[in-house]
Amino acid sequence: QVQLVESGGGVVQPGGSLRLSCAASGFTFSSYGMHWVRQAPGKGLEWVAFIRYDGSNKYYADSVKGRFTISRDNSKNTLYLQMNSLRAEDTAVYYCAKDGMGFDPWGQGTLVTVSS
Amino acid sequence: DIQLTQSPSFLSASVGDRVTITCRASQGISSYLAWYQQKPGKAPKLLIYAASTLQSGVPSRFSGSGSGTEFTLTISSLQPEDFATYYCQQLNSYPAFGPGTKVDIK
Repeated sequence: QVQLVESGGGVVQPGGSLRLSCAASGFTFSSYGMHWVRQAPGKGLEWVAFIRYDGSNKYYADSVKGRFTISRDNSKNTLYLQMNSLRAEDTAVYYCAKDGMGFDPWGQGTLVTVSS
Repeated sequence: DIQLTQSPSFLSASVGDRVTITCRASQGISSYLAWYQQKPGKAPKLLIYAASTLQSGVPSRFSGSGSGTEFTLTISSLQPEDFATYYCQQLNSYPAFGPGTKVDIK
């Protein structure tokens, strides 16, 4: 079945870096764009970034532009999010999701906590 | 940027009730709208895309309508498993989500 599994979350100090991964299975990963979406504790959903199926174009929310980088390795069926210069307000559960007319499916999420 | 608002932000309902949630866009988005259900501690689940198309496997008591700037999600007969938070999402430009509507048990 189609599945996305995130990993790489954890606790990091303000100003630090973290790289998230999203392993895809059950579909032709290299044919689909992919998104990262985050959700701060007790808050709503915020779209973070998108990458086209071949990695040729990338788009970011203003809140992360210049600090986060989305990438993918189609040979490994894996999506990445490199997060630098992390701030307290980046604390959230980060989800990856497959692009389409809606986002489906979503991974289970990985928690990133930015705290000293 | 296109902004989405949802109303109500919270509603209390009983099993069997008909429930309607409204999503409004700050500018026209044609039918580029999706609806999601999220339960505590879980990832969102796609219910409806293209404003009115039911995602495979989603019960037929869920329906969506609208185009342009005003959209609705309707649950025809609320079931115990439907108590959750519902989000609309526009995909006309950079994706954005509405603030959510929490459906609670009366």
